[in-house]
Amino acid sequence: DGGITQSPKYLFRKEGQNVTLSCEQNLNHDAMYWYRQDPGQGLRLIYYSQIVNDFQKGDIAEGYSVSREKKESFPLTVTSAQKNPTAFYLCASSIVGQTGTDTQYFGPGTRLTVL
Amino acid sequence: DQQVKQNSPSLSVQEGRISILNCDYTNSMFDYFLWYKKYPAEGPTFLISISSIKDKNEDGRFTVFLNKSAKHLSLHIVPSQPGDSAVYFCAASDETSGSRLTFGEGTQLTVNP
Repeated sequence: DGGITQSPKYLFRKEGQNVTLSCEQNLNHDAMYWYRQDPGQGLRLIYYSQIVNDFQKGDIAEGYSVSREKKESFPLTVTSAQKNPTAFYLCASSIVGQTGTDTQYFGPGTRLTVL
Repeated sequence: DQQVKQNSPSLSVQEGRISILNCDYTNSMFDYFLWYKKYPAEGPTFLISISSIKDKNEDGRFTVFLNKSAKHLSLHIVPSQPGDSAVYFCAASDETSGSRLTFGEGTQLTVNP
């Protein structure tokens, strides 16, 4: 039963606190991604990783950090430097290196609310 | 700089009719296009894709058309069903960006019974 899991589904934090969102996949995919979705907007790329121990900034990386110590795990930390952290966060994964098969598969998402 | 654009934030159709969702792009390097469907508070699910070497791809009720000269793609759903009501995102990639996708803003489709 392969897939991508994100936990928790809902997360509440006080302003000024760092928080780490979990993302795990057992699809044996090389690449993993973090997006954020705000109401009425599309998916914006925060960070992505195409291989273990390597990752790149996406379009809105400021205030976020990631690590990729294991192939199956790609946690995202929302730091206190992120000005508007309340959003729906989505993790995805894909196979890398096959032209025309850049299909990304998404987890169920985590709704983060900063109070 | 919005490289993938979905100009219609919403679309409403009657059950049984055709739904046509549109997407425009500006980057001529894009060579692979995808459509995703998303329900509220869930992750997007992959629907259908098309390579730039084709102009049409069909999968059951879903057909994607690609017009490279116009830098335009569309998703046709026929017949539309109430369960198709969701937000639809188009996305694009090119070889130089590796596995990275660029998403449009999404279109909310509502299919009325």
